[in-house]
Amino acid sequence: AQTVTQSQPEMSVQEAETVTLSCTYDTSESDYYLFWYKQPPSRQMILVIRQEAYKQQNATENRFSVNFQKAAKSFSLKISDSQLGDAAMYFCAETQGGSEKLVFGKGTKLTVNP
Amino acid sequence: DTGVSQDPRHKITKRGQNVTFRCDPISEHNRLYWYRQTLGQGPEFLTYFQNEAQLEKSRLLSDRFSAERPKGSFSTLEIQRTEQGDSAMYLCASSSRGRYQYFGPGTRLTVT
Repeated sequence: AQTVTQSQPEMSVQEAETVTLSCTYDTSESDYYLFWYKQPPSRQMILVIRQEAYKQQNATENRFSVNFQKAAKSFSLKISDSQLGDAAMYFCAETQGGSEKLVFGKGTKLTVNP
Repeated sequence: DTGVSQDPRHKITKRGQNVTFRCDPISEHNRLYWYRQTLGQGPEFLTYFQNEAQLEKSRLLSDRFSAERPKGSFSTLEIQRTEQGDSAMYLCASSSRGRYQYFGPGTRLTVT
């Protein structure tokens, strides 16, 4: 069974600082995708960043980047220059090539302090 | 692109009643997904449609749950004989092949 583990239930960061959220996954497949989704309070889930397992280069989207360590099955999210609007629940998720379903971790609640 | 919409946004029902939720995907998306999210947890997959075909169902989807996607457009999720354990946020998402899933705002179900 697929499992995605986020070991940090809560994290906090000062505005303009950098924070890293951790995620590990457990798959025996060679073809899979990894995602970070953001869920602000009472608002819908939006995609932050996506990584294809076959790509060695780490994905980057503006202030958001990942550290994809395939052998260690680790997929951490780095948020640079944190902004108040980054405060949200962040979910790590995986989908394997043969299935379209997303398997989510339990999430990390990020607080951004002014 | 008007986004994924879900109706209703909130539903309060008494135990034993039936409820139906609707999801309208982004118009050009042929894939549609249902997830359930309980407090403090990540979303859990329920079922997935490609066009009108239901291709995958979770074991979470008991026989009280049924989902349809007639004509490959909107989808409905029905829960029969609701139980208190069904209280959750029900999320719908849609995608095109090879693209990530766009989520709707969810329907929050409270069973009293």
